[in-house]
Amino acid sequence: QSALTQPPSASGSPGQSVTISCTGTSSDVGGYNYVSWYQQHPGKAPKLIIYNVSKRPSGVPDRFSGSKSGNTASLTVSGLQAEDEADYYCSSYAGSNRVFGGGTKLTVL
Amino acid sequence: QVQLQESGPGLVKPSETLSLTCTVSGDSFSNYFWTWIRQPPGKGLEWIGYIHHSGSTTYNPSLKSRLTISVDTSKNQFSLKVNSVTAADTAVYFCARDLGAATFDYWGQGTLVTVSS
Repeated sequence: QSALTQPPSASGSPGQSVTISCTGTSSDVGGYNYVSWYQQHPGKAPKLIIYNVSKRPSGVPDRFSGSKSGNTASLTVSGLQAEDEADYYCSSYAGSNRVFGGGTKLTVL
Repeated sequence: QVQLQESGPGLVKPSETLSLTCTVSGDSFSNYFWTWIRQPPGKGLEWIGYIHHSGSTTYNPSLKSRLTISVDTSKNQFSLKVNSVTAADTAVYFCARDLGAATFDYWGQGTLVTVSS
């Protein structure tokens, strides 16, 4: 299985919106509605922010939203805040296996 | 509140076996997939594999030949063994709970394992 493809970096100014893509294949992202997104600050464990493509766990701000079209899933962060600066990873169900994206470093300018 | 905590040696010699344990508190083992994930320094996350509470396992195909994941439900622990390690196995190793379908909702803090002589 190959890692999902994410852009290495993304950026935006406070208050703006930014979208991060996650591209896989019909064997993972495209084949199931089971894509999740994680936020990781330096030296910390990843935190679940989106699951099942577009659902938010309790406590995650609604500024974070997810979607999917074909083999590509997307995470949108609206109303960027300084604390959103972090690494973001997508993950997908792939039958019995799971697969992660390479990660995207989000910079708040 | 569910908590996971990794434990094990921080330094392993090349060609030897890496062994880690994850202790789970605040929840039972039922109906979840108890997972190991690793992150080499400065790099991305890599899914290693999981053990279901029933004892069934699934491993990353690229690592499968060197992996063993086991569970001790009496101690609320699950463990990882990686055989024949090399420097490429140096990473922060996380244990996590998978609700199913790649939804990792709880994570341990991670433990750095360095492979070096």
